[in-house]
Amino acid sequence: DTGVSQNPRHKITKRGQNVTFRCDPISEHNRLYWYRQTLGQGPEFLTYFQNEAQLEKSRLLSDRFSAERPKGSFSTLEIQRTEQGDSAMYLCASRAKGPNTEAFFGQGTRLTVV
Amino acid sequence: GENVEQHPSTLSVQEGDSAVIKCTYSDSASNYFPWYKQELGKGPQLIIDIRSNVGEKKDQRIAVTLNKTAKHFSLHITETQPEDSAVYFCAASSGGYQKVTFGIGTKLQVIP
Repeated sequence: DTGVSQNPRHKITKRGQNVTFRCDPISEHNRLYWYRQTLGQGPEFLTYFQNEAQLEKSRLLSDRFSAERPKGSFSTLEIQRTEQGDSAMYLCASRAKGPNTEAFFGQGTRLTVV
Repeated sequence: GENVEQHPSTLSVQEGDSAVIKCTYSDSASNYFPWYKQELGKGPQLIIDIRSNVGEKKDQRIAVTLNKTAKHFSLHITETQPEDSAVYFCAASSGGYQKVTFGIGTKLQVIP
């Protein structure tokens, strides 16, 4: 499968625990995005990488959230001290170089904080 | 910031009928309008997009129209099939996917 891969698919954690999600973009896609999608809503932008550089972060990304893309390939999104309000689907998308290239989404990681 | 409103939130049509989903946006700087289909348990998939220099675009049974003056854009699906059943999202962007704002989605059910 050469699509965007996200792991794990599901994560249940207790409030206050830390969690980390991984995204493997399509090979050679230099741009990578993280979004959060809550039930009944559209995805909301969290952060954007071009190669290994994190170029933009949304105001939604509180201090408890951190994302990395150390070698410009896979990316991780970590949430520290999880809260019930963090429960959502976390989506990753990647795009190839070029002005009008399509963004391909992964299947997401569904986080439930209990 | 950008605000995208989408309606209806749910839509049921008989197989073979047409389905229309409408969106409005607030930021006149928005120039890219993608539409996504999301099936249960999957990520959104781009089905068609339109840029601000075009008023209409068609791809087989799917068409999108854009009225920049009124800040409206719409998705039209003709000859609907059961496999069209999914949640559809409109979106608007003024510059790349880091500036994209999605609507709340329309759950389309095509009844065989």
